[in-house]
Amino acid sequence: AQRVTQPEKLLSVFKGAPVELKCNYSYSGSPELFWYVQYSRQRLQLLLRHISRESIKGFTADLNKGETSFHLKKPFAQEEDSAMYYCALRTGTASKLTFGTGTRLQVTL
Amino acid sequence: GAGVSQSPSNKVTEKGKDVELRCDPISGHTALYWYRQSLGQGLEFLIYFQGNSAPDKSGLPSDRFSAERTGGSVSTLTIQRTQQEDSAVYLCASSLGTGKLFFGSGTQLSVL
Repeated sequence: AQRVTQPEKLLSVFKGAPVELKCNYSYSGSPELFWYVQYSRQRLQLLLRHISRESIKGFTADLNKGETSFHLKKPFAQEEDSAMYYCALRTGTASKLTFGTGTRLQVTL
Repeated sequence: GAGVSQSPSNKVTEKGKDVELRCDPISGHTALYWYRQSLGQGLEFLIYFQGNSAPDKSGLPSDRFSAERTGGSVSTLTIQRTQQEDSAVYLCASSLGTGKLFFGSGTQLSVL
């Protein structure tokens, strides 16, 4: 069965420091990977997906099939990045989206 | 509005009572999901509807939980004989069948 692992429940960094939110998945086929974000008092929303190979709000994520990872990175953290981040996996075009347990990112001055 | 709407936003019930949670997806979205969000558990998948296909019910935690989607639109999640461990935020999301889900604001369920 597919599984998404986010090992850190809380990641605290200083403003301006680099950020890396870890995500590992278990699936033997070709997955689709996503990062979702939930800011305080807002709805959960899509941040980025691996197929788009895009940078959103300075965040990037690269799918590493060898290491089965999809870590989220940003070179310089901003206060407004403080939020809950979820990694998610889909194993086919008609399949469900499986989420990890989430990592709370706290950016402090 | 054009977003996913859930009602009620808050529900307090007594242990043993039944509850119904409603979700109005974005018009035209073929896929609808229910998730449960609780501290330390992240987003727990419950059930997934995709078009006219049989729903994926693999995440429902017990037979006290059921969901239906009428006319390919509105969905209702029913929890029978509620238990305290059912307390959580229940989230609904819809999509066009892609991995881009649009979430509702959730129903906070408290079982006393």
